[in-house]
Amino acid sequence: GQNIDQPTEMTATEGAIVQINCTYQTSGFNGLFWYQQHAGEAPTFLSYNVLDGLEEKGRFSSFLSRSKGYSYLLLKELQMKDSASYLCAVMDSNYQLIWGAGTKLIIKP
Amino acid sequence: GAVVSQHPSWVICKSGTSVKIECRSLDFQATTMFWYRQFPKQSLMLMATSNEGSKATYEQGVEKDKFLINHASLTLSTLTVTSAHPEDSSFYICSASQGGDFNEQFFGPGTRLTVL
Repeated sequence: GQNIDQPTEMTATEGAIVQINCTYQTSGFNGLFWYQQHAGEAPTFLSYNVLDGLEEKGRFSSFLSRSKGYSYLLLKELQMKDSASYLCAVMDSNYQLIWGAGTKLIIKP
Repeated sequence: GAVVSQHPSWVICKSGTSVKIECRSLDFQATTMFWYRQFPKQSLMLMATSNEGSKATYEQGVEKDKFLINHASLTLSTLTVTSAHPEDSSFYICSASQGGDFNEQFFGPGTRLTVL
């Protein structure tokens, strides 16, 4: 079966760095997405990785290792507004998005 | 660019009634639209995928006669929850894709349905 694993919840301190991991097992691979979702709102796109390596975009970076079925989202200089759920999703061989359950990130002052 | 709207954003209805939710891509043509349902503290669950002018493809366990999807144009898809029951109360989110290799999905703001 297809499976996306990510931690249920993480806590970090304002101004610090946090890494949210995602491991996946899917039928085929056409890219991995990270989305941010605030409570009661729809997800918003953060990043897309299809090749191995690190993609940096401001305070957020995303890393992919296809051979290991592994990705992480790195958030630097954390701000209170970064408190949200972070969803990892993999596009399989049928171009369907397979979603993880999301990681709830709690930022403390 | 790539804005998706949903209407209504919030609806309360009585059990047994039907509710229609609209999803529109405002500044692009969406070759494919997706309908998701999300229960509290859970991830998105894909309900169905629809391409303009063709029948929607429903995920296993989703009743196509209960959740009617119409994708009449490249900018509009509708989801009708027929004979709604309290267990259908959920957050319904649509997304739209322009197609191509990247296939990024742009999400609408969601519709919160409460069935009394």
